[in-house]
Amino acid sequence: EAGVAQSPRYKIIEKRQSVAFWCNPISGHATLYWYQQILGQGPKLLIQFQNNGVVDDSQLPKDRFSAERLKGVDSTLKIQPAKLEDSAVYLCASSSYRGPAYGYTFGSGTRLTVV
Amino acid sequence: QKEVEQNSGPLSVPEGAIASLNCTYSDRGSQSFFWYRQYSGKSPELIMSIYSNGDKEDGRFTAQLNKASQYVSLLIRDSQPSDSATYLCAVLTLRDDKIIFGKGTRLHILP
Repeated sequence: EAGVAQSPRYKIIEKRQSVAFWCNPISGHATLYWYQQILGQGPKLLIQFQNNGVVDDSQLPKDRFSAERLKGVDSTLKIQPAKLEDSAVYLCASSSYRGPAYGYTFGSGTRLTVV
Repeated sequence: QKEVEQNSGPLSVPEGAIASLNCTYSDRGSQSFFWYRQYSGKSPELIMSIYSNGDKEDGRFTAQLNKASQYVSLLIRDSQPSDSATYLCAVLTLRDDKIIFGKGTRLHILP
């Protein structure tokens, strides 16, 4: 079974620029999550999708972050405009039809540096 | 109150000894508990899950759960240098049906 795919692996941008990250979950996984992991901290949930609907986006800074999951498969996370404090690793994860009680599988992440 | 708390470490353990990692959580209704291992520059990898009070063993790893005390632990026997990593405790909250992570404990196995 192929894992969760993310791209790009690394991105360096200047503050106030925009950036987008892409995620393709494991085939058949209905639930997709975007987490932000700042250096030295645990992952923090930004948004959770069930198929192509948003389940929870309470921690997403909606003034600058947006996410979509068209057709219930791939997802993109966008930041516009970026701030220095957005420097972090952005992790995409998916869980199977059995649900999160069996844990997630994470992608390799995108490391964002805002300068 | 933080939802999942861990000592950030670093925890230094001699090779071959037992490493003991601890975690407490605040949502008393939580039912599923996980330990993820994260190597530097890599994404978290699920190594243990536990759902019932007591111990669950998998190779050199033992997860322990005490729901009354809201406490989860991970024991690593015969610690190896390759076990040096950050260990993230994670809890599936019944209220929100999402997994909350602690900050992680950095473990360093001394050769």
